[in-house]
Amino acid sequence: KQEVTQIPAALSVPEGENLVLNCSFTDSAIYNLQWFRQDPGKGLTSLLLIQSSQREQTSGRLNASLDKSSGRSTLYIAASQPGDSATYLCAALYNTDKLIFGTGTRLQVFP
Amino acid sequence: DAGVTQSPTHLIKTRGQQVTLRCSPKSGHDTVSWYQQALGQGPQFIFQYYEEEERQRGNFPDRFSGHQFPNYSSELNVNALLLGDSALYLCASSFLDRGAYNEQFFGPGTRLTVL
Repeated sequence: KQEVTQIPAALSVPEGENLVLNCSFTDSAIYNLQWFRQDPGKGLTSLLLIQSSQREQTSGRLNASLDKSSGRSTLYIAASQPGDSATYLCAALYNTDKLIFGTGTRLQVFP
Repeated sequence: DAGVTQSPTHLIKTRGQQVTLRCSPKSGHDTVSWYQQALGQGPQFIFQYYEEEERQRGNFPDRFSGHQFPNYSSELNVNALLLGDSALYLCASSFLDRGAYNEQFFGPGTRLTVL
């Protein structure tokens, strides 16, 4: 069964800290891995998409890595800000065009 | 480009009723996928529509049905509502390229509450 797990479920950090969010997937035959941000009660905003042939992607203060062999992806957020507070979801895509999501990491960055 | 739009934003129904949710895809997209997100959980795939046909389906009962129109917009219908159907329903659109994966873009969702 294809499953995605995210650890930790929640994280609270002071402003300015660098932090890492973890995502694990059981089936390494993924097409790509995508990270999303979700604000309370809102839809999903795509942050980064890593193709299976890539090792990492960067956008501003965000860097996502992918290790298919170990079934892991990490999202690194540099110099966190209160505006980064949200739930972060990772999703794996297999050969079915449907995304399989983790349960998310709820991040709070306090001033 | 308005992106993916969904209506209504919020909806309150009672058990046993039927509901219809609507989605308009991003311009240039021809594929619509629907996801259900219960509180505190990740979205779960319901089904995907392409060329007005259901292309694939997740593990949801037949009470959940859908439709895609010639203009690529889509509806999600849920019959005989249960309390457990209360969730945020997300629509995602993409362009189907059989040789590659095209990123899915999500709408703001419809919050359904079943009383």
